[in-house]
Amino acid sequence: SQQGEEDPQALSIQEGENATMNCSYKTSINNLQWYRQNSGRGLVHLILIRSNEREKHSGRLRVTLDTSKKSSSLLITASRAADTASYFCATLNRNTGNQFYFGTGTSLTVIP
Amino acid sequence: GAGVSQSPSNKVTEKGKDVELRCDPISGHTALYWYRQRLGQGLEFLIYFQGNSAPDKSGLPSDRFSAERTGESVSTLTIQRTQQEDSAVYLCASSLAGSTYNSPLHFGNGTRLTVT
Repeated sequence: SQQGEEDPQALSIQEGENATMNCSYKTSINNLQWYRQNSGRGLVHLILIRSNEREKHSGRLRVTLDTSKKSSSLLITASRAADTASYFCATLNRNTGNQFYFGTGTSLTVIP
Repeated sequence: GAGVSQSPSNKVTEKGKDVELRCDPISGHTALYWYRQRLGQGLEFLIYFQGNSAPDKSGLPSDRFSAERTGESVSTLTIQRTQQEDSAVYLCASSLAGSTYNSPLHFGNGTRLTVT
């Protein structure tokens, strides 16, 4: 399976702390994306990092990519209660088609 | 509409009945995806459309599942003779991707299917 895996599966932190989630995948990729899912809702795109990029920032989000280790991390700084959600990584490998493969997700709880 | 729309939002059906799930993608999005998400789990890829064609049907779990897309717009996912293990949230997403592989997916809120 090409599916990625996030760890930890669940993370609970205090408001104001930083949250780090990791994603590992199995095949070569063209890009890796992070998505957020609030309970009972669809996924919302957060950030995309291309295979030739190593780090990317967007507001309080910082994503790193290490293609040699086939891994990525998502850092949320100064977390807020509203960041409580599940976070998924998704990978695209053009050689095997245009489907995006999603990981199993990290459930983040930010305690006010 | 501004986003991806799915209907119905909830569907309860009896085992053995057929169901149709509908997805209206964002206008102009050539790529359309169906995923299945069981409770507390990740997303399972089902099928992908580029325009009206489905180059990859490998994720469909069985021949009870089928999908079509018309007018490079609306897509319908049909599950025949539903089983209890079909209970899940079915998510649809669309994307500008085609030649642009760096376009993100835009998701609908899903259809929650419960087979009793």
